[in-house]
Amino acid sequence: AAGVIQSPRHLIKEKRETATLKCYPIPRHDTVYWYQQGPGQDPQFLISFYEKMQSDKGSIPDRFSAQQFSDYHSELNMSSLELGDSALYFCASSLDQGGKTQYFGPGTRLLVL
Amino acid sequence: AQSVAQPEDQVNVAEGNPLTVKCTYSVSGNPYLFWYVQYPNRGLQFLLKYITGDNLVKGSYGFEAEFNKSQTSFHLKKPSALVSDSALYFCAVSPFSGGYNKLIFGAGTRLAVHP
Repeated sequence: AAGVIQSPRHLIKEKRETATLKCYPIPRHDTVYWYQQGPGQDPQFLISFYEKMQSDKGSIPDRFSAQQFSDYHSELNMSSLELGDSALYFCASSLDQGGKTQYFGPGTRLLVL
Repeated sequence: AQSVAQPEDQVNVAEGNPLTVKCTYSVSGNPYLFWYVQYPNRGLQFLLKYITGDNLVKGSYGFEAEFNKSQTSFHLKKPSALVSDSALYFCAVSPFSGGYNKLIFGAGTRLAVHP
């Protein structure tokens, strides 16, 4: 079965640079979620989109922005990167929101030097 | 504040023995409850969830979880552990906040199954 696709899988950036992470949900899934998992930590919710509209917002820094496009893929844009942004970024998708099971992608590992 | 607690950093069990990974939550209302498993350098894999109905939920790979509303617990169980079950297990809740959207995760419990 098709899974959530994330690209790139690994990314190395310098401080103050920008990064764009992409997420392609499972076909027919209309809801996308972004999570950040720091080293040895649990995943923290950043933001979610349902039918291309922001549906919920968590602890996402103002330096980050995200959107969902007409084909339901989503991009997380990160600017003025800081060392503390180094983490594993997960995207998940679900068919509709409302407690539907979230299926996670393999993650993008971001290292900020 | 809404939170999920997994009181054990690590659980050790011998292969063939039953296992339990504990989870309690502090969330108002009637949240949805989930268990996910994470293998090294992999994403989170869904195991099972509780929304309503029977307190015992059966999921993937022989895992099950028991919901206890009075104790606000959702412990993960398996009757007979396999070495391949060794991984990091996360309990998560989805509170109602204009809908059930985000997941709040516990800190994770590392399960080690020894031959």
